[in-house]
Amino acid sequence: RKEVEQDPGPFNVPEGATVAFNCTYSNSASQSFFWYRQDCRKEPKLLMSVYSSGNEDGRFTAQLNRASQYISLLIRDSKLSDSATYLCVVTLHNTDKLIFGTGTRLQVFP
Amino acid sequence: ETGVTQTPRHLVMGMTNKKSLKCEQHLGHNAMYWYKQSAKKPLELMFVYSLEERVENNSVPSRFSPECPNSSHLFLHLHTLQPEDSALYLCASSVAGGGETQYFGPGTRLLVL
Repeated sequence: RKEVEQDPGPFNVPEGATVAFNCTYSNSASQSFFWYRQDCRKEPKLLMSVYSSGNEDGRFTAQLNRASQYISLLIRDSKLSDSATYLCVVTLHNTDKLIFGTGTRLQVFP
Repeated sequence: ETGVTQTPRHLVMGMTNKKSLKCEQHLGHNAMYWYKQSAKKPLELMFVYSLEERVENNSVPSRFSPECPNSSHLFLHLHTLQPEDSALYLCASSVAGGGETQYFGPGTRLLVL
């Protein structure tokens, strides 16, 4: 079983749509959770951290369910510029080691 | 953005060559990382340096040799690589201590012929 599992997509959605990505992780000792965004042929960049209480940053909402070992990212009112690959990332307790999913590709069309 | 820089950005090398990748961070971090990104695979952590000491070596073949002379610089020395080593090599840095945000450089796209 992969340590971090994501649906690779692609998700093709029109501008203005709401889209949700899911991610599951296998190690219950995972401590910190993130969504990174990677544009084509560019480096990954942090989109947002994910907290147990859930958190929102503008059009983006992240949720964490520790019991189910499940993380989600919701994007509302999609923009063309949201087109990218979204990487689910976890770290283990007290380590600097990031464990990446393969990413979910999003394509927003006009 | 110039927080983490990497050189060269592109590299083509033969299997008998020796080359080095360089990474420099200007963020005052004290942990640095090398990752490999191949097509259709998740980013793979190769090495972690925390406070200039190597704390993680993820079963990477010895043809990859990291060097961290100080907290701002990280090198990856390459020798006798194989074609399957062709990939994007990403450097990252962070504050050491677990669970901190990592900031990535633009990567070196390596092709081994």
